[in-house]
Amino acid sequence: EVQLLESGGGLVQPGGSLRLSCAASGFTFNDYAMSWVRQVPGKGLEWVSSITGSGGNTYYADSVKGRFTISRDNSKNTLYLQMNSLRVEDTAIFYCAQYMGITKYFPSWGQGTLVTVSS
Amino acid sequence: QSALTQPASVSGSPGQSITISCTGTSSDIGAYNYVSWYQQHPGKAPKLMISEVNNRPSGVSNRFSASKSGNTASLTISGLQAEDEADYFCSSYATSGAVIFGGGTKLTVL
Repeated sequence: EVQLLESGGGLVQPGGSLRLSCAASGFTFNDYAMSWVRQVPGKGLEWVSSITGSGGNTYYADSVKGRFTISRDNSKNTLYLQMNSLRVEDTAIFYCAQYMGITKYFPSWGQGTLVTVSS
Repeated sequence: QSALTQPASVSGSPGQSITISCTGTSSDIGAYNYVSWYQQHPGKAPKLMISEVNNRPSGVSNRFSASKSGNTASLTISGLQAEDEADYFCSSYATSGAVIFGGGTKLTVL
């Protein structure tokens, strides 16, 4: 069974930084691209970033480009999202998700971690 | 890249069928057969219901079906059940390289 467990969320001031982690199990981690998708509570979903299975290629939404960095450690089956220069509008639940890079969908999702950016 | 357009809400009685539309542009839905649909119950993570326009993953009820015509995709749920009450989101790959989502549709089973 695929399991994705996010951690690292919390309260941070505008301009601050936070690193999210996603521990994966139940599948061969380096066989899958991975993504972060966020959701303002009660609102819609927004794709944030994706990374290929090897980690060699990364992709970002325009709203986070230059501020967020996605990475992975395949030896630890863990996905990361380094978030810098955080803004109030980054407040959201951040989900880690498997990503089918060729056919562009998300087969499995974690339960999410809440990031709150507020002074 | 603008979000895909979905109706804010739809409703139906148990046993009935409903359809949720998802309208995009020639740069997203119209450009690729990479439309997917997700179900989300309150406080839960999204769950994949349909991939690649009309492929149903193992374990998803065959009461869920989907299609695409031009720049609009549709999700149909037949034989509505109380457990189907949830938010539904469509998604499409776009020529910009981004994956974009619809704003979500709240399904109420009356």
